[in-house]
Amino acid sequence: DIQMTQSPSSLSASVGVRIIITCRASQSINSFLNWYQQKPGKAPKLLINTASSLQSGVPSRFSGSGSGTDFTLTVSSLQPEDFATYYCQQGFSTPLTFGGGTKVEIK
Amino acid sequence: EVQLVESGGGLVQPGGSLRLSCAASGFTFSSYWMVWVRQTPGKGLVWVSRINSDASSIGYADSVKGRFTISRDNAKNTLHLQMNSLRAEDTAVYYCARLGLPYYYYYMDVWGNGTTVTVSS
Repeated sequence: DIQMTQSPSSLSASVGVRIIITCRASQSINSFLNWYQQKPGKAPKLLINTASSLQSGVPSRFSGSGSGTDFTLTVSSLQPEDFATYYCQQGFSTPLTFGGGTKVEIK
Repeated sequence: EVQLVESGGGLVQPGGSLRLSCAASGFTFSSYWMVWVRQTPGKGLVWVSRINSDASSIGYADSVKGRFTISRDNAKNTLHLQMNSLRAEDTAVYYCARLGLPYYYYYMDVWGNGTTVTVSS
């Protein structure tokens, strides 16, 4: 199985700052990497698919990059509604696997 | 509106069974691959099973293989997960989700609201 490791596991940041979340795969997954946002009590929401393709309706302050084993999710200017937990997920092979999550909290 | 609504969760004793359902609306259900994903506080998000558009290809996580069965009824726009021989470690919120197109990118672009399964005596 492909292991997905996210860092940091949590971060505290202020509104308006840029944050970067990283995700590393245990083997190359080309660009088959997806990012989700989850708020408490809600289902995950797809933000980015195939490493860098922004899902329709997702604000442009979210961006993704990377290929192979190393990927990043960047939020260029953190907004109050962005405080949530973020997960990466590899779509290269089954079993599909998720990272452990990064909880973004208000500083 | 594109929507997925799960049902069928509840409290069940170890060794028991439950059947989850996921009602789809707002899109051509028969054109999409579907998955079940579960979430526990301790283990995060875990993929459980997937089924292709016509149910000819199915896959399971090792942890549920032989105990869970995924199925779909394209005439009724419904996805199912039959869960047998349930264990305490199956306790989780279960989500159904749609795989976006093309399916082989394996990204989940629509999610249900989840249904809670608790396995306890």
